[in-house]
Amino acid sequence: GESVGLHLPTLSVQEGDNSIINCAYSNSASDYFIWYKQESGKGPQFIIDIRSNMDKRQGQRVTVLLNKTVKHLSLQIAATQPGDSAVYFCAIMGGNTPLVFGKGTRLSVIA
Amino acid sequence: KAGVTQTPRYLIKTRGQQVTLSCSPISGHRSVSWYQQTPGQGLQFLFEYFSETQRNKGNFPGRFSGRQFSNSRSEMNVSTLELGDSALYLCASSEANVLTFGAGSRLTVL
Repeated sequence: GESVGLHLPTLSVQEGDNSIINCAYSNSASDYFIWYKQESGKGPQFIIDIRSNMDKRQGQRVTVLLNKTVKHLSLQIAATQPGDSAVYFCAIMGGNTPLVFGKGTRLSVIA
Repeated sequence: KAGVTQTPRYLIKTRGQQVTLSCSPISGHRSVSWYQQTPGQGLQFLFEYFSETQRNKGNFPGRFSGRQFSNSRSEMNVSTLELGDSALYLCASSEANVLTFGAGSRLTVL
């Protein structure tokens, strides 16, 4: 089955800097990747997704990069704001298997 | 559209009791998934229902069960509660693989 590894459990960045959150996965058959954001007292919220036929996808201030060769996924947040403080999860799916979540990275933004 | 609604939001039970949690998905979504979230294990998949049928099941003991009704609303039940069942239980409804989560039901077992 799939396993999802965590690179850093916590990350602190200065307001206005860029943030990069990383994820590694094990199953080369994984074909769908999602980033979620979870704020205190709330459920995870969808941020951005990417399919295995793409290397990069951009949203509003967020970019997801997928490197299938080394099975690595990253989320970049541009001009990080205090409202970005949350726990970020990568979630990965292959075929009809359910989403498997990483352990999460807690992002703290220093004003 | 209203989001995913989970009830109750908080509950406290004692060991050996059972609990039922409810989830109302986004209107039109037919798939409902349940996850257990704990600080140590993160988000772990419990089960997924689609059109009243269990489509996938995670690696949890038989004390954990669920069902889905014809209106897509879902319930999960945990019997003979253990201290280790204390967790945030998250329900998500989905369309095209994108899960939309509710705020969760926080269960504390004493």
